[in-house]
Amino acid sequence: GQQVMQIPQYQHVQEGEDFTTYCNSSTTLSNIQWYKQRPGGHPVFLIQLVKSGEVKKQKRLTFQFGEAKKNSSLHITATQTTDVGTYFCARTTGRRALTFGSGTRLQVQP
Amino acid sequence: DGGITQSPKYLFRKEGQNVTLSCEQNLNHDAMYWYRQDPGQGLRLIYYSQIVNDFQKGDIAEGYSVSREKKESFPLTVTSAQKNPTAFYLCASSTELAKNIQYFGAGTRLSVL
Repeated sequence: GQQVMQIPQYQHVQEGEDFTTYCNSSTTLSNIQWYKQRPGGHPVFLIQLVKSGEVKKQKRLTFQFGEAKKNSSLHITATQTTDVGTYFCARTTGRRALTFGSGTRLQVQP
Repeated sequence: DGGITQSPKYLFRKEGQNVTLSCEQNLNHDAMYWYRQDPGQGLRLIYYSQIVNDFQKGDIAEGYSVSREKKESFPLTVTSAQKNPTAFYLCASSTELAKNIQYFGAGTRLSVL
């Protein structure tokens, strides 16, 4: 019910290629957060999306929230080796905790 | 520096032993959380606390216990009832003033001897 499905599980790209990860929910989301976890590190907040159809950009990263607020995506243009890590989407619940997706692990070949 | 401090970084547990993981924050956040992460997996919520002296079970609370006697501290005890404790444990905190964005500590890696 409150889970978020994230695809793909893993992606290996050549440096300079684009990358996209998708987050899907069967129920309407009040908001969606995105986090990045570097190998061996801890999750770090990237962005929160709240409005239907919202698009936010951070340099080479573009985040979208679906019109129906049931899906979201993170797109990285021209990947760099510094983009390596696992990207998680997370939905907030009524208890202020987060339910995380299983993550997409990105590997970038120099 | 403001932040969340978890200790120890690595911890080893013997059979039948209880171990306690420390989590301290100086961000003045009201809410604190414990998550468990298994290799290649997402984070699963163990316990959370929104105010001092109050806490709620998350999705995988069995075999764990917590206390929240001070706003700054939220220790997690992994009891002997937790049969598969090997994992990466992450503590986080948040405040409604910051839209409930969660700030994480560096984590504790727990292994069984």
